[in-house]
Amino acid sequence: EVQLVESGGALVQPGGSLRLSCAASGFTVSRNYMNWVRQTPGQGLEWVSLIYSGDNTKYEDSVKGRFTISRDFSKNTLYLQMNNLGAEDTAVYYCTGGHSLDFWGQGALVTVSS
Amino acid sequence: QSVLTQPPSASGTPGQRVTISCSGSGSNIGRNTVNWYQQLPGTAPKLLIYPNNQRPSGVPDRFSGSKSGTSASLAITGLQSEDEADYYCAAWDDNLNGWVFGGGTKVTVL
Repeated sequence: EVQLVESGGALVQPGGSLRLSCAASGFTVSRNYMNWVRQTPGQGLEWVSLIYSGDNTKYEDSVKGRFTISRDFSKNTLYLQMNNLGAEDTAVYYCTGGHSLDFWGQGALVTVSS
Repeated sequence: QSVLTQPPSASGTPGQRVTISCSGSGSNIGRNTVNWYQQLPGTAPKLLIYPNNQRPSGVPDRFSGSKSGTSASLAITGLQSEDEADYYCAAWDDNLNGWVFGGGTKVTVL
């Protein structure tokens, strides 16, 4: 059974930084397409970032230069380093695995507020 | 404003058929496959249909998907109370170089 478990969500001040982790079991992070998708409270889904073969990465325009997606082969874990956070980044962040966003974690809440 | 357009709500009585539309453009649905996700209240989204019309293991066959041109649709036949959820369509967008989603459709079972 595939499990993706996010951690690292927190309340952070504007301009601050946070790193989200997504630990996988039953699924190999290094061999699959991995994405981060976020959902603002009561709103829809928004794609954030993708890492795929050869550690190529893509980012949604509003997070380019601020967010970095990466993965650790030995820990089978996906990360999202988020810098210079703003109120617009407040959301539940989901890690997803698979070419079709097949598997989803339970989400990590990030709140950016002073 | 979502890149893909879905109706905000749909409803039906138990046993009825409900369809949800998803409209996009040539850079997303027109060139790439469409996935559908179901989000039950208080839970994470779950893959329901991919690509266009396949169901992952465990998804009942009363859920079906189709695509034509720059639009797609999800049909739920024999609607059940446990189908009350938000449904999202998604596709890769070649111009934006990322996934785009619909705004979601809330299905209510009357």
